[in-house]
Amino acid sequence: EVQLVESGGGLVQPGGSLRLSCAASGFTVSSNFMSWVRQAPGKGLEWVSVIYSAGSTYYADSVKGRFIISRDSSKNTLSLQMNSLRAEDTAVYYCARGPMIRGHDYWGQGALVTVSS
Amino acid sequence: AIQLTQSPSSLSASVGDRVTITCRASQGMTNALVWYQQKSGKAPKLLIYDASSLESGVPSRFSGSGSGTDFTLTISSLQPEDFATYYCQQYNSYPPHFGQGTRLEIK
Repeated sequence: EVQLVESGGGLVQPGGSLRLSCAASGFTVSSNFMSWVRQAPGKGLEWVSVIYSAGSTYYADSVKGRFIISRDSSKNTLSLQMNSLRAEDTAVYYCARGPMIRGHDYWGQGALVTVSS
Repeated sequence: AIQLTQSPSSLSASVGDRVTITCRASQGMTNALVWYQQKSGKAPKLLIYDASSLESGVPSRFSGSGSGTDFTLTISSLQPEDFATYYCQQYNSYPPHFGQGTRLEIK
């Protein structure tokens, strides 16, 4: 059974850093495209970042230069290092497999990140 | 970047109604478009991929169609569990933007 479980969310002050992790089971992270998608309170879905199976990475303009996506093949996990956090980064962050031919076919339950003083 | 505009933004309908949601792309694209359903407090759920392919386990009352710049999600006969927010997303090119969402409410 495929499962994605995020961890690492919490409250952080503006300008601070936080690292999210996503533990995958039922498939191999490094063989798939893997993304982070976020949803601000009461708002729609916003794609944040992707890491390809070949290792290339892409970022939304809103987080470019501040966030870093990575993976650990030995642990079968996906991570998102978030630096220089802003109030507008407050959101539920989902890890998701894809987008590939079936879009994002599996999602985690989400991790809430709150940026506030 | 390909932007997606969904219409309507919200919709009130009754159980048994036929409902259509539209997703318009800012430029022509392949059929690399998916539809998700999201219920409050939950992760999105994949419904349709490749514009018209039904994801395994999704009821057949859901269908997708379209090409080029105009895509639609149709629910043939609304059921109580279908009241949720629906999003389209394109993965034709990066960034893989989502539409702004369509909130489907009970009339």
